[in-house]
Amino acid sequence: QKEVEQNSGPLSVPEGAIASLNCTYSDRGSQSFFWYRQYSGKSPELIMFIYSNGDKEDGRFTAQLNKASQYVSLLIRDSQPSDSATYLCAVNAEGYSTLTFGKGTMLLVSP
Amino acid sequence: GAVVSQHPSWVICKSGTSVKIECRSLDFQATTMFWYRQFPKQSLMLMATSNEGSKATYEQGVEKDKFLINHASLTLSTLTVTSAHPEDSSFYICSALIDGNNQPQHFGDGTRLSIL
Repeated sequence: QKEVEQNSGPLSVPEGAIASLNCTYSDRGSQSFFWYRQYSGKSPELIMFIYSNGDKEDGRFTAQLNKASQYVSLLIRDSQPSDSATYLCAVNAEGYSTLTFGKGTMLLVSP
Repeated sequence: GAVVSQHPSWVICKSGTSVKIECRSLDFQATTMFWYRQFPKQSLMLMATSNEGSKATYEQGVEKDKFLINHASLTLSTLTVTSAHPEDSSFYICSALIDGNNQPQHFGDGTRLSIL
């Protein structure tokens, strides 16, 4: 059974702070890792994806992957109230098109 | 790029009605599309994987005769909820996968279905 675990939160951070969202996965065969943002009542929106160990930066967002520890994280720098949403971690194994989603972490950024 | 259009956004209809939802990849070809359902305050639940030109693969517990999926072209998949009942009321979301290794899924805006 492939599992993706996330703390449900809410994670509360003040505006301007760094938000750190974490995700662990059970399948060592996982090859691709995705972060989606979902606002209440809306569909998921792709934020970032990462395949290799290490960090990948895109604007205020940094994805970090550690395959040995089966751990992937998303850092949001200079958090804004508009970042308040549920962040979904998703993984898939090489050769498989389906994603296994975590249940998501709710992020609340207070002004 | 990677825009997925889903239509309609909202459907309100009477019990027993069949409802068709369309999912289109606007600027890329998608051999594979996915259909999800999400109940309030719950996580995404994959219903089925739709492959162009072949039968859909349904997840355990999803009735294939209830939720008909057709993927007739590389840019269009449809989900038909047949004889819908109030318990089918939910948020239905499609996604499309860009062909190639390790590509992400891109989601449509979703369809909110309310059965009276």
